[in-house]
Amino acid sequence: GEEVAQTPKHLVRGEGQKAKLYCAPIKGHSYVFWYQQVLKNEFKFLISFQNENVFDETGMPKERFSAKCLPNSPCSLEIQATKLEDSAVYFCASSPNGDTQYFGPGTRLTVL
Amino acid sequence: EDQVTQSPEALRLQEGESSSLNCSYTVSGLRGLFWYRQDPGKGPEFLFTLYSAGEEKEKERLKATLTKKESFLHITAPKPEDSATYLCAVRTLSGSARQLTFGSGTQLTVLP
Repeated sequence: GEEVAQTPKHLVRGEGQKAKLYCAPIKGHSYVFWYQQVLKNEFKFLISFQNENVFDETGMPKERFSAKCLPNSPCSLEIQATKLEDSAVYFCASSPNGDTQYFGPGTRLTVL
Repeated sequence: EDQVTQSPEALRLQEGESSSLNCSYTVSGLRGLFWYRQDPGKGPEFLFTLYSAGEEKEKERLKATLTKKESFLHITAPKPEDSATYLCAVRTLSGSARQLTFGSGTQLTVLP
């Protein structure tokens, strides 16, 4: 597609439940990035992929967060045992060459 | 540690009143400076990429410039539809070569 697609738009989970977010990058883009936006405009980098390979996961809280980008499937970001502080908007971005990143509309996760 | 600071935090302009937004950065080595526009409830929309001091890019009423320490986004004769949060982000030599570090944004309101 011509735009990054993210589903669902909104997700509500009780504390301790699992949350799974999906991202379809722009066709032909080989890089995918995940960011977390909290408190107005604070963006935190989580993880990046080059094709199906993890490129950089230095931002990921590894004990509860995991992510995958498999061939012919949307990329996914999964949070096991969600906590209140995971409430945020999660953005996916894709890039053809790792330079300019094009963002999706985001998934708003609310943990109650 | 890479730092990006945007000012002012908020700016209100009358329609037609030109102004500039500032993005100052302290980084280990700049690989690219990016400007995005974000509307409420949406993902960042790419505007410009600048790579080296002296570079300028223009699009409609917007013009972005870059020096060794800061970037400016000049808005000429703004219209109400230019109201949005403008985000500055950098890609640097430290950490991942690909992740973006964002400033906290300037919320622009253009009054008719």
